[in-house]
Amino acid sequence: DAGVIQSPRHEVTEMGQEVTLRCKPISGHDYLFWYRQTMMRGLELLIYFNNNVPIDDSGMPEDRFSAKMPNASFSTLKIQPSEPRDSAVYFCASSNLRAGELFFGEGSRLTVL
Amino acid sequence: TQLLEQSPQFLSIQEGENLTVYCNSSSVFSSLQWYRQEPGEGPVLLVTVVTGGEVKKLKRLTFQFGDARKDSSLHITAAQPGDTGLYLCAGASGYSTLTFGKGTMLLVSP
Repeated sequence: DAGVIQSPRHEVTEMGQEVTLRCKPISGHDYLFWYRQTMMRGLELLIYFNNNVPIDDSGMPEDRFSAKMPNASFSTLKIQPSEPRDSAVYFCASSNLRAGELFFGEGSRLTVL
Repeated sequence: TQLLEQSPQFLSIQEGENLTVYCNSSSVFSSLQWYRQEPGEGPVLLVTVVTGGEVKKLKRLTFQFGDARKDSSLHITAAQPGDTGLYLCAGASGYSTLTFGKGTMLLVSP
């Protein structure tokens, strides 16, 4: 079975540009999570969905960040406008449970110049 | 806010050595998970411990959950270069999502 699929793997953009990260969770998983990983702060939960509905977005840094899950097989994380401090690796993960085993994608490494 | 402190932050050892890394909190967790993350990849679950005092073994890796379910340790016997990676602990409690520690970066040199 395919795991969690993220795209793009790498993104380099200039400050002020819009960035869209994409995620396809494992089929049948009811929970989808977006995390950001940096050396300084580790893994931070940005937002999670249950059955395509956003449940907790308290980790989203500011209004420049938004996430959607239009159906059970697709989610996006958008940053508009992007800033250099947004540079990080963004992970999508899916699970059968809210606090169960997380299955992570390979991540999207974002560099904002 | 529940916090998980992992120590050490970084560990560099030679192949064949033994090591222990720690995951500590002042909060009680219903379960605790350990993940390993290799460079350029996402974390992968190694084990879940749920009972205070529980010990689980995975080949050369031994995981222990503290009696009070506030801490955990991971012991690796005869480390190998393939053990290199970032080891993350994550705790579950109540109706919250997982709380992750910042991890221990392990480098095992041949």
